[in-house]
Amino acid sequence: GQQLNQSPQSMFIQEGEDVSMNCTSSSIFNTWLWYKQDPGEGPVLLIALYKAGELTSNGRLTAQFGITRKDSFLNISASIPSDVGIYFCAGQTDSNYQLIWGAGTKLIIKP
Amino acid sequence: GAGVSQSPSNKVTEKGKDVELRCDPISGHTALYWYRQSLGQGLEFLIYFQGNSAPDKSGLPSDRFSAERTGGSVSTLTIQRTQQEDSAVYLCASSPESGRRETQYFGPGTRLLVL
Repeated sequence: GQQLNQSPQSMFIQEGEDVSMNCTSSSIFNTWLWYKQDPGEGPVLLIALYKAGELTSNGRLTAQFGITRKDSFLNISASIPSDVGIYFCAGQTDSNYQLIWGAGTKLIIKP
Repeated sequence: GAGVSQSPSNKVTEKGKDVELRCDPISGHTALYWYRQSLGQGLEFLIYFQGNSAPDKSGLPSDRFSAERTGGSVSTLTIQRTQQEDSAVYLCASSPESGRRETQYFGPGTRLLVL
């Protein structure tokens, strides 16, 4: 099925570093969502974006809805060990409740 | 309150056997979704329920897959004559309604392995 292009596929970072990941699409979306999935769990919503250009923060996380409505990024500042996991972007149009998902960015903290 | 629950958490079956996966959504949530997640991939939409009816079954991979929801609550995803390519994590989510701003809350998933 259709997927968003999410990059990078994985990231190896030191604790305390900032992290940036993004998603792009050939289609326009009216909603961008960022989820985090821990091992053995389902995805949990981190940030929801509903308006082009919107910049939203949730603690150390900041996400933006691209002006073209075809992209979004997620930044994590001052990473900590519990940030480890897989981060997914998902897009949604008004006319379709279905979420279209990226393949995920796996975040690994280097010891 | 209780979140979305799924059972079993793990299922190992032999090729050709039928399996049933169960989802208990959050109480009061009218919308229910099934997704499939293959290793290293994002989620693939399978089917969506609004109440007991399934307006969109377009994501079901083949006629071996079916799902039902009864009483506007519990849903069962059935895979008949399982194949090895059916091995994946099957995730269920629910939301209060099906609108754009309705957050989908996910269960922990059922890990299916077809030998």
